[in-house]
Amino acid sequence: GAGVSQSPSNKVTEKGKDVELRCDPISGHTALYWYRQSLGQGLEFLIYFQGNSAPDKSGLPSDRFSAERTGGSVSTLTIQRTQQEDSAVYLCASSLGPGDQPQHFGDGTRLSIL
Amino acid sequence: KNEVEQSPQNLTAQEGEFITINCSYSVGISALHWLQQHPGGGIVSLFMLSSGKKKHGRLIATINIQEKHSSLHITASHPRDSAVYICAVPNSNSGYALNFGKGTSLLVTP
Repeated sequence: GAGVSQSPSNKVTEKGKDVELRCDPISGHTALYWYRQSLGQGLEFLIYFQGNSAPDKSGLPSDRFSAERTGGSVSTLTIQRTQQEDSAVYLCASSLGPGDQPQHFGDGTRLSIL
Repeated sequence: KNEVEQSPQNLTAQEGEFITINCSYSVGISALHWLQQHPGGGIVSLFMLSSGKKKHGRLIATINIQEKHSSLHITASHPRDSAVYICAVPNSNSGYALNFGKGTSLLVTP
């Protein structure tokens, strides 16, 4: 069966450019999470969507980061005016619903800012 | 924020050895997750547990809610178990989004 799909798998861009990262969760999963894995920093939470509720944006590191989820399915994470410290692997996960559920992770987008 | 501490940070074992990885957290939780990340980067959920013990093949996870501590055990370890093992707990400020430990890098040699 289809798992969580992320695109692109790799993205190299120049400092100052905007980037969009896409996540297609498992069908039927209402909860969607974005995480970031930086070298030496481990995994950190960015933003959480649950159904049609307002997203929890408490993990976003700055106002250059935003995310949306259309139709309760596909999500896009946008980083504006990228900085070198934004270089990381961006991971998306989904789960069946609210509450304690196993999270299913995509393979991530490796973002490199030159 | 629920702080998560894992130990050891790195672990090398010979094939067949019994392995234990430990995880402690600072705030009471409803469930704890153990994840596995292979060198290619993909993350797989191994266990989610809220009490007692769970077993899947050669992997066993235990949790003591009162002591805020969990362990992941691997019996009869094999080189294919080489990976990073990550403990994660719900973010106390953000419902069910996860806070992660820094991971334990395991290498099992033949």
